[in-house]
Amino acid sequence: KAGVTQTPRYLIKTRGQQVTLSCSPISGHRSVSWYQQTPGQGLQFLFEYFSETQRNKGNFPGRFSGRQFSNSRSEMNVSTLELGDSALYLCASSSRGSEETQYFGPGTRLLVL
Amino acid sequence: AQSVTQPDIHITVSEGASLELRCNYSYGATPYLFWYVQSPGQGLQLLLKYFSGDTLVQGIKGFEAEFKRSQSSFNLRKPSVHWSDAAEYFCAVGAYSGGGADGLTFGKGTHLIIQP
Repeated sequence: KAGVTQTPRYLIKTRGQQVTLSCSPISGHRSVSWYQQTPGQGLQFLFEYFSETQRNKGNFPGRFSGRQFSNSRSEMNVSTLELGDSALYLCASSSRGSEETQYFGPGTRLLVL
Repeated sequence: AQSVTQPDIHITVSEGASLELRCNYSYGATPYLFWYVQSPGQGLQLLLKYFSGDTLVQGIKGFEAEFKRSQSSFNLRKPSVHWSDAAEYFCAVGAYSGGGADGLTFGKGTHLIIQP
C-alpha cells in the first residue's frame, strides 16, 4: 500500500498570503489529522477529519482551516500568513480515527518571509 | 488535559551500547501510547504502540517499550544501537473523548546521537 502523501513538499510564501496544503491518506483510511511542527512549540495537533467532518480541533486561530473530500483526501488552508506560521506541517491518516494508529506523511515545509 | 514529558533533550550513546529513552505522561484514563522516530527532513515513523494488554511491547528495528502505570512511564529501550538509529524520538499519548479523538499529544522529543 502506498503511504500518506503530501503536496507540495516545500513552499515559500510571504506574509499576508494564504496557502493550501494537500494530503492523500493511505487507501481505505477515513481519518486525516494535521499537525504543526516548529522548533519552539514542537508537534501540535491542528484538527482531525473523519468522513468529511471535522471531529476535533486543536488550539489554533481561525486562520487555520481544513476540509476533507469524499475520497478522504484532505486540504489544510492557512490565511493571512504570519512569520510564525513557518513550520513543517504533517498529515497523518488512520482507518477508524485517532484511536487507531496514525501513519504520518513526509510533511510540507512552509517558509513565510 | 494530557501531557507528555521527555526529560532528556539530547542523549549520546556509543554504537553497540544499550539505550533507554524516558517518557512520562499525564492522562486521567488508560492512555494509548506511541513512540515515533523522525530522521532529518522526514515525517514520523511509528516504532511501537501500547493500547492494552501486555505491558512490554515490541516494535520495529529492535526497539521495545514498557508501560508502567504506577510510574506513568513508557520508556523506550534497545539493547544495542546502530549508527542508523541517530534521529529524533517522540513519545506521544492519544486522548479520546466522547466526541472522538482529540489528537495525539507529543513530547518535545529526544535527540539521539550515536558515537562511533
